[in-house]
Amino acid sequence: RKEVEQDPGPFNVPEGATVAFNCTYSNSASQSFFWYRQDCRKEPKLLMSVYSSGNEDGRFTAQLNRASQYISLLIRDSKLSDSATYLCVVNRDNTGKLIFGQGTTLQVKP
Amino acid sequence: DTEVTQTPKHLVMGMTNKKSLKCEQHMGHRAMYWYKQKAKKPPELMFVYSYEKLSINESVPSRFSPECPNSSLLNLHLHALQPEDSALYLCASSQPFNGGLASTDTQYFGPGTRLTVL
Repeated sequence: RKEVEQDPGPFNVPEGATVAFNCTYSNSASQSFFWYRQDCRKEPKLLMSVYSSGNEDGRFTAQLNRASQYISLLIRDSKLSDSATYLCVVNRDNTGKLIFGQGTTLQVKP
Repeated sequence: DTEVTQTPKHLVMGMTNKKSLKCEQHMGHRAMYWYKQKAKKPPELMFVYSYEKLSINESVPSRFSPECPNSSLLNLHLHALQPEDSALYLCASSQPFNGGLASTDTQYFGPGTRLTVL
């Protein structure tokens, strides 16, 4: 079992749709949590950090459930430009080593 | 725009060549990282430097040799690579890990060097 698991998709949605991604992690001692976005042949870019209280940035909402060990990302009113791979990332110890999920591919269609 | 820069953007080398990848950050970070990423896979950690000292080597073959000359620079020296080493090599930086404070341990990635080994 992978330490961080995501549904690889692809998720094909129309513009304006709401889409949700989930991610589970196996190490209960994990410390911090992130969603990164990666466009084809580009570097990963931080989308948002994820906090237990939940956090929102415009059309994006991230939630962390420590009891169930899962992280979610909700994208509202999808845009064509949201098409990318979304990486769930966990920083699980005090070494700074990031554990990446396999990524979830989102394709937003007109 | 990323504040982590990498050169070159693309590199093609033969199996007998020696080359170096360079990374620079101007965010005052004291931790720097090398990752390797193959197509359709997530990045794989290779090395971590914290306060200019190597803190993690993920059992990387010795044909990859990292160097951290100062707090802003990170190099990856390449020698006698194999075709399977062809990949995107990403550099990242962050503050050294601070007990789970996401605002300080967030890693910022450079644009990468796309390496092809012939």
